[in-house]
Amino acid sequence: KAGVTQTPRYLIKTRGQQVTLSCSPISGHRSVSWYQQTPGQGLQFLFEYFSETQRNKGNFPGRFSGRQFSNSRSEMNVSTLELGDSALYLCASSVDSPQETQYFGPGTRLLVL
Amino acid sequence: QKEVEQDPGPLSVPEGAIVSLNCTYSNSAFQYFMWYRQYSRKGPELLMYTYSSGNKEDGRFTAQVDKSSKYISLFIRDSQPSDSATYLCAMSHSSASKIIFGSGTRLSIRP
Repeated sequence: KAGVTQTPRYLIKTRGQQVTLSCSPISGHRSVSWYQQTPGQGLQFLFEYFSETQRNKGNFPGRFSGRQFSNSRSEMNVSTLELGDSALYLCASSVDSPQETQYFGPGTRLLVL
Repeated sequence: QKEVEQDPGPLSVPEGAIVSLNCTYSNSAFQYFMWYRQYSRKGPELLMYTYSSGNKEDGRFTAQVDKSSKYISLFIRDSQPSDSATYLCAMSHSSASKIIFGSGTRLSIRP
């Protein structure tokens, strides 16, 4: 079975731009979660989608948004990028409950200049 | 105060030693407790999860939850150099709530 894939793997943007990151979950998985990982703040939950509906949301500003398609693929968007948005963005998928089984992708490393 | 506290290390032990990794938390509503392992330049990998309190064993790994003390532990027996990684604890209230991660402990096993 193919694992979680994320594209692109690396991205360089400038302040004020927007970015869209993509995640393809493991086949059959309906839940997709997004996380931001930085050296200072660690791994922080952004949001979780289940069957095209946002089921949970972390404490991030509205510039961070996401969606899930009918095939469970998910995208997250960050508008008006700030220097502090530089991070590793990780996507994880699970069949149903992320607490019991959750498989992470390799991440997209975003650098904002 | 963070909801989940974890000593960042680094922790360095000789091969074959028993490793003890710990986290404390402040929210008594947490019911799901997880341990992840993350190798450099990779995404985290779920090692174990425990619901409510008690112990759980899987091979060389044992997870313990003490809800009265708001303290969880991961023990690694017969540690190997391949166990060198960052270990993250994580918790949530329910199967439908967000997961809160600790900051991670960097572990190095010396051959």
